[in-house]
Amino acid sequence: EPEVTQTPSHQVTQMGQEVILRCVPISNHLYFYWYRQILGQKVEFLVSFYNNEISEKSEIFDDQFSVERPDGSNFTLKIRSTKLEDSAMYFCASSEPQLQGLGEQYFGPGTRLTVT
Amino acid sequence: AQSVSQHNHHVILSEAASLELGCNYSYGGTVNLFWYVQYPGQHLQLLLKYFSGDPLVKGIKGFEAEFIKSKFSFNLRKPSVQWSDTTEYFCAVNADYGQNFVFGPGTRLSVLP
Repeated sequence: EPEVTQTPSHQVTQMGQEVILRCVPISNHLYFYWYRQILGQKVEFLVSFYNNEISEKSEIFDDQFSVERPDGSNFTLKIRSTKLEDSAMYFCASSEPQLQGLGEQYFGPGTRLTVT
Repeated sequence: AQSVSQHNHHVILSEAASLELGCNYSYGGTVNLFWYVQYPGQHLQLLLKYFSGDPLVKGIKGFEAEFIKSKFSFNLRKPSVQWSDTTEYFCAVNADYGQNFVFGPGTRLSVLP
């Protein structure tokens, strides 16, 4: 069964450094997402991406964040200058559109980002 | 703005007991509804989903959920829980062609052997 993959599984970085989290969505999906989950808290939406542009983003997704689909397969989340509060599990997801709204989102295994 | 609430933060049951986890959402339009499960250290896994049609949907591992539009609810049920059901459960809503899921805060289920 096709699945979403993410690399690395764990990233440790120092405050102020840039990080890039990578995701390979399911190949025939058209919508791509990033979510984050701070330890012990709920999953929070960051951004959705369709047709090579951001289609929706949350308040969390400020100027420090950016997303890109540099080639036909990878979908990346960049944090320009990490802060301690960026420490979280970051999940990538992808979906294909349904007649009514979005289809099921398939989630990757996540990247645990630790900012020291 | 949409929001999703899950009534119980932590539910503790004995094996073979029946389970019902509450989920309510605040949105008046068309919704797609989901229950995800998250085992420790693993990614979110879909248990079941509702798009349209029969409001009683069946998912994997013996779980089912009922969409009650008048109550804005989508409660998760299982007639007889097992120790292996111990984990975190998240309700999620996608509203009206929106581009994101809104997740509830999660309910931790502990099943005692």
